Amino acid sequence: GAVVSQHPSRVICKSGTSVKIECRSLDFQATTMFWYRQFPKQSLMLMATSNEGSKATYEQGVEKDKFLINHASLTLSTLTVTSAHPEDSSFYICSASPQSNEQFFGPGTRLTVL
Amino acid sequence: QKEVEQDPGPLSVPEGAIVSLNCTYSNSAFQYFMWYRQYSRKGPELLMYTYSSGNKEDGRFTAQVDKSSKYISLFIRDSQPSDSATYLCAMSSNSGNTPLVFGKGTRLSVIA
Repeated sequence: GAVVSQHPSRVICKSGTSVKIECRSLDFQATTMFWYRQFPKQSLMLMATSNEGSKATYEQGVEKDKFLINHASLTLSTLTVTSAHPEDSSFYICSASPQSNEQFFGPGTRLTVL
Repeated sequence: QKEVEQDPGPLSVPEGAIVSLNCTYSNSAFQYFMWYRQYSRKGPELLMYTYSSGNKEDGRFTAQVDKSSKYISLFIRDSQPSDSATYLCAMSSNSGNTPLVFGKGTRLSVIA
């Protein structure tokens, strides 16, 4: 299957700081990538759809000014958690699809906000 | 009623058993159905991808879709301890690059 990478795999930050998470499609181009958040023992919750060259589409209840998404190229999307708070601590996962809707996920980024 | 219902388990079976995992859904527009396996603290891994009703087999895994009943299944034959993970069903209505709707996931433990 297609390969999607994420960096960093784990990050610990202080409350009030910003954290950037990168999502890369390694062997295909992705005009669209998706960002999910997963709390312990919960399923994946879609946060936003990242579109190359245009603004991201956010799900209801997700603050676009807090979770900044940039899809600057066909292989890279970034999610920046601004002014992080402890309640933002979660597992963030991106996905992308080389064709149709067979989506492949990155390994995830575990964010801990102290 | 949630769009996709999946029993969270946990489900514990002995090694070698046949495992049956299921999801039901309410949106009749769903046409594309997927099963993902997620190990702890890892991203989901695509196991099976099917379109519309029918069966699909890949090694020890068989996916079944019954659109008339809005019911999908994943069967694992000769289960192994390495199959211990959370299994998530996912589905969508469009063939394009659209977000998936996930079930909550079923936690499976295969005991040696």
